[in-house]
Amino acid sequence: AQSVTQLDSHVSVSEGTPVLLRCNYSSSYSPSLFWYVQHPNKGLQLLLKYTSAATLVKGINGFEAEFKKSETSFHLTKPSAHMSDAAEYFCVVSDTGGGADGLTFGKGTHLIIQP
Amino acid sequence: EPEVTQTPSHQVTQMGQEVILRCVPISNHLYFYWYRQILGQKVEFLVSFYNNEISEKSEIFDDQFSVERPDGSNFTLKIRSTKLEDSAMYFCASRLSGASSYNEQFFGPGTRLTVL
Repeated sequence: AQSVTQLDSHVSVSEGTPVLLRCNYSSSYSPSLFWYVQHPNKGLQLLLKYTSAATLVKGINGFEAEFKKSETSFHLTKPSAHMSDAAEYFCVVSDTGGGADGLTFGKGTHLIIQP
Repeated sequence: EPEVTQTPSHQVTQMGQEVILRCVPISNHLYFYWYRQILGQKVEFLVSFYNNEISEKSEIFDDQFSVERPDGSNFTLKIRSTKLEDSAMYFCASRLSGASSYNEQFFGPGTRLTVL
């Protein structure tokens, strides 16, 4: 079984300051991990993914995440927040790289950017 | 860039009525999924579909739900007799193949279902 815990339901930062969204996972196998973003009234967009290659993963819009197996974490970071980053962020795990299993989503973190 | 599309964007129905939510996955993708997101809650997996049959389904996906790929392009979710608690955003997703390097799922914009 797999699960995801997003440690913060809301994160508020000032524009231009760093962003840290925390995620811990539980997986029976070597997981694939993803971060998706959902802007208001929009669908889910993939930010980045980890699939057992490099542990530091770079994504779109300046986001990156580091896979730490010893800590079972996959935190999302960005050096400098922009107003357009305000959205809901979901950490997602998939146990099987080759099967048809569905994704398991965290509860989401609402990122607020203060001007 | 190819994308997953869903229609309608918003569906309002009366309790007990049947609804069909439609999705057009990315054309060369082989795996198809439905998820739902009840307002204020997390996205939940409903069902996956491959090679014209259900691969996996969650406990949410009971006998009221069915999926179909009636032709080479559409992928539908049918709810036979809607309940108030079926009100949610329903997302369709598709994936290219089973290889780990291609296990990214591409999501559509969603259909908001409101059951009155």
